[in-house]
Amino acid sequence: QKEVEQNSGPLSVPEGAIASLNCTYSDRGSQSFFWYRQYSGKSPELIMFIYSNGDKEDGRFTAQLNKASQYVSLLIRDSQPSDSATYLCAVGYSSASKIIFGSGTRLSIRP
Amino acid sequence: NAGVTQTPKFRILKIGQSMTLQCTQDMNHNYMYWYRQDPGMGLKLIYYSVGAGITDKGEVPNGYNVSRSTTEDFPLRLELAAPSQTSVYFCASMGNTEAFFGQGTRLTVV
Repeated sequence: QKEVEQNSGPLSVPEGAIASLNCTYSDRGSQSFFWYRQYSGKSPELIMFIYSNGDKEDGRFTAQLNKASQYVSLLIRDSQPSDSATYLCAVGYSSASKIIFGSGTRLSIRP
Repeated sequence: NAGVTQTPKFRILKIGQSMTLQCTQDMNHNYMYWYRQDPGMGLKLIYYSVGAGITDKGEVPNGYNVSRSTTEDFPLRLELAAPSQTSVYFCASMGNTEAFFGQGTRLTVV
């Protein structure tokens, strides 16, 4: 059983709209959750982390965590073509030190 | 510049050869990681470390070894390279509120 699940996409969103990316995880004891962005041929870059249930906002990005449903999401408001990338969800297991990634969702923002 | 430095950037190995991928960070992070990424796929955790002298296996540790003698360095050793180890390898380090990846090592085993 995969520990971190993401829809591989591609997800196509018009410019200016809200992009919604979803992730589920299998271990109820997980305590740390991360969203990374990876452009083709580049290294992943950390966008946000979230540890508590609820929403966390940073600029155009909002991470949402629901531990009861084992679900974490990333919303991107006012999507720009530069947001086109693969978005990777990562979850911390084993006291948050073992970071496992999902397979990523490809996001395409169409002008 | 602060960050994670990986060397080499590219390498071609013959089947059965060995090599060490180097990773150094200058941010005094305790947590360091090695991942591999196959084409079109996500990252698979090979090994990780929560501090000097402490390492643990990840999802795909077979065929690899690591050591963490200092906070800064976390080398990954490949013994007896196999074609299945052809991949891009990323080293990462993590602090309380930040995480950085190295530029990656593209390894081909032929």
